[in-house]
Amino acid sequence: DGGITQSPKYLFRKEGQNVTLSCEQNLNHDAMYWYRQDPGQGLRLIYYSQIVNDFQKGDIAEGYSVSREKKESFPLTVTSAQKNPTAFYLCASTGTETNRQYFGPGTRLTVT
Amino acid sequence: AQTVTQSQPEMSVQEAETVTLSCTYDTSESDYYLFWYKQPPSRQMILVIRQEAYKQQNATENRFSVNFQKAAKSFSLKISDSQLGDAAMYFCAYRKYAGNMLTFGGGTRLMVKP
Repeated sequence: DGGITQSPKYLFRKEGQNVTLSCEQNLNHDAMYWYRQDPGQGLRLIYYSQIVNDFQKGDIAEGYSVSREKKESFPLTVTSAQKNPTAFYLCASTGTETNRQYFGPGTRLTVT
Repeated sequence: AQTVTQSQPEMSVQEAETVTLSCTYDTSESDYYLFWYKQPPSRQMILVIRQEAYKQQNATENRFSVNFQKAAKSFSLKISDSQLGDAAMYFCAYRKYAGNMLTFGGGTRLMVKP
């Protein structure tokens, strides 16, 4: 069953700790993305990667970091430098049908 | 930079009736894609419909259709025969023709009354 998995569904951390959100896809897609969603708002792009070992900043990259060592994995680290990390985080990917993005189920991060 | 605006934070419709959600966008590009995504309470993003800007014909997917007005930079979604399962947040999104990144509007919450 192909798709994108994000784990865990809910994540809780103390302020000042770094936390890494997982995103894995078995769709053989080249491009992957991370979005942040705040309550009642649309999605904003944090980082994206079009190919392994390469990634670019999106609109709100400050306080976040990513890696793309494998095609199927694109983990997002929320660092202590991110001032308001509590949000819903969505991972997505795009394949050869490049006019469509597939989304994972998301991770709700709460930092207290 | 491209912007996408959804001017209706909330809409409601009676079951079996028709509702139209509005979206406007700003771009200097001539070729691009437009999308409507649905986000139910599960928060999974589901593609509802997409439109290529170079196509004059409006896209349709079963009960969902769009009214694409390129000159006016308007891209509204019409939902016919509304069902309770249509209740969700709906997001309009834009993508350049040569590119992968999506720019999203702020969303419209649709409520369906039985």
